Amino acid sequence: EVQLVESGGGLMQPGGSLRLSCAASGLSVSSNYMTWVRQAPGKGLEWIATLYGGGNTYYAGSVRGRFTISRDNSKNTLYLHMKSLRAEDTAVYYCAREVKLGATAYLDYWGQGSLVTVSS
Amino acid sequence: QSVLTQPPSVSGAPGQRVTISCTGARSNIGAGYDVQWYQKLPGTAPKLLIYTNTNRPSGVPDRFSGSKSGTSASLAITGLQAEDEADYYCQSYDSSLTGVIFGGGTKLAVL
Repeated sequence: EVQLVESGGGLMQPGGSLRLSCAASGLSVSSNYMTWVRQAPGKGLEWIATLYGGGNTYYAGSVRGRFTISRDNSKNTLYLHMKSLRAEDTAVYYCAREVKLGATAYLDYWGQGSLVTVSS
Repeated sequence: QSVLTQPPSVSGAPGQRVTISCTGARSNIGAGYDVQWYQKLPGTAPKLLIYTNTNRPSGVPDRFSGSKSGTSASLAITGLQAEDEADYYCQSYDSSLTGVIFGGGTKLAVL
């Protein structure tokens, strides 16, 4: 059974830094496309970042230069390092496994979500 | 503003059929990229309902079906049940971007 368990969320001040973790079981983060998606209060889903199995990383314009996606293969854990946090980064953050094949790209396994609140 | 356009809300009575549309462009759905649908209940993670336009993951009732034509896609739900009340999101990919794209979401109310 695949499980993705997130941790690390909390209340942060603007300009602060935070690291989210996504511990995986039942799949290998090193051999899958792994993605972070967020949902701000009252808003829709927003793609944030993807880490390819080969190591390439891609970011949404709203977080590029401030957020970094990475993984620790030995811990089978995906991370999202966030810095220079803004109020508009307040959201529930989800990690997910992305299936990417030809013209298809979808998210089949999701974590439970981790709430990040940025407020002074 | 989302790259994919969905109606903000739809509604239907129990037992009825409803459809939710998802309109894209020539750079995403119209370029041949597949469309997926997710069900989102408050406080829970999104659940994959439909993948590659028409396919249901194991465990998803056949009351849910998807279709795609041109630059648009649709999710149909037949035999509406109270438990179907949720937010529904379409998702695809865009050749000008580097990640998946979502519609703005549609809130389904079961009257």
